[in-house]
Amino acid sequence: KAGVTQTPRYLIKTRGQQVTLSCSPISGHRSVSWYQQTPGQGLQFLFEYFSETQRNKGNFPGRFSGRQFSNSRSEMNVSTLELGDSALYLCASSVRQADSTDTQYFGPGTRLTVL
Amino acid sequence: GENVGLHLPTLSVQEGDNSIINCAYSNSASDYFIWYKQESGKGPQFIIDIRSNMDKRQGQRVTVLLNKTVKHLSLQIAATQPGDSAVYFCAELNTGNQFYFGTGTSLTVIP
Repeated sequence: KAGVTQTPRYLIKTRGQQVTLSCSPISGHRSVSWYQQTPGQGLQFLFEYFSETQRNKGNFPGRFSGRQFSNSRSEMNVSTLELGDSALYLCASSVRQADSTDTQYFGPGTRLTVL
Repeated sequence: GENVGLHLPTLSVQEGDNSIINCAYSNSASDYFIWYKQESGKGPQFIIDIRSNMDKRQGQRVTVLLNKTVKHLSLQIAATQPGDSAVYFCAELNTGNQFYFGTGTSLTVIP
């Protein structure tokens, strides 16, 4: 079974621009979560989508948004980019296990650099 | 947010020795924990998980120990190999069904 895929892998933007990142979950996984990873802050939760609905949201400004499509693929958008948005953006998909736990599996990430 | 932290940011071990990576968490109500391994340029890779109704769980060369009394989690890697060099994260699933991650411990295996 193919893993989580993310596109693009690398992206360079300038301040003020906007960017859209894409994530395709593992087949059969309906939940997709997005994280921002930086050296100083580690992995920080952005939001989670399940069946096209945002189920959970972290503490990020409204410039960060996302959506999920009927095939469970997800996109996240960052508008009005700032230098501090430079980070590795990770997508994780999960499926409910028999014991009701949701184990997350990560994609390789998109490395965003804002100049 | 939740406070999931690691005691040591870096750890160096000799090849063949056992490694122990520690993690502290603050929410006593959290009932599910995962250890991830992240190699350079890659996303975190699931290693092993444990639920709060267990104290210990073993995988292939890895063991996770959970001490709920002191809210402490550890990952033990037996016979550490050069391929084990990576950053290791613990993740805690809180009551809001949201994962919180520690900042990571960088493990270096010395040949």
